[in-house]
Amino acid sequence: EVQLVQSGAEVKKPGESLKISCKGSGYSFTSYWIGWVRQMPGKGLEWMGIIYPGDSDTRYSPSFQGQVTISADKSISTAYLQWSSLKASDTAMYYCVRQMTTVTTQYFDYWGQGTLVTVSS
Amino acid sequence: SYELTQPPSVSVSPGQTARITCSGDALPKQYAYWYQQKPGQAPVLVIYKDSERPSGIPERFSGSSSGTTVTLTISGVQAEDEADYYCQSADSSGTYADVVFGGGTKLTVL
Repeated sequence: EVQLVQSGAEVKKPGESLKISCKGSGYSFTSYWIGWVRQMPGKGLEWMGIIYPGDSDTRYSPSFQGQVTISADKSISTAYLQWSSLKASDTAMYYCVRQMTTVTTQYFDYWGQGTLVTVSS
Repeated sequence: SYELTQPPSVSVSPGQTARITCSGDALPKQYAYWYQQKPGQAPVLVIYKDSERPSGIPERFSGSSSGTTVTLTISGVQAEDEADYYCQSADSSGTYADVVFGGGTKLTVL
């Protein structure tokens, strides 16, 4: 059974750093892209970027380029999303997703349970 | 930037048919996908490649495409179908960095 299990909720102060994780199991972790999707409170879904754990090839949405860093450790089948300096506007639910990607198809067939990040002074 | 447009809300009575549309200029060239999100839960893929249904998704969910508009149809709506529905596609350039979601449609079962 394919599973993406994310790390727990976080409460941080503005300016602090944070790294959240997503552990994949039940499939070949290095053979599928892993992505991150943001959902701000009461709002819709926003695609942030993806990484291919096999070779760490990483792509970012223009909206999130330079704002976050996506990485992966294939030895432990885990992907990460990190911030160097959080802002209150980073408060959101963050989902990791397995992204099916070809030139003509890009979609998310499995989702993690979500990690709620709250940034408040 | 590329956008997908959905109606904010759709309401239907139980047993009726709900239709949720999604419009975008690149939809004739790129597949569309639909996700269902119930309160407090992660989204779930309900339609892929415009009209394919993943295993485990009820047959009452179907998808279609016509020009720049794709439609999610839920036949014989049940109370459990009340949720937010998001369409998703990609920019016609087909680069990996251009995945786009619609704004979401809240389906209310009266």
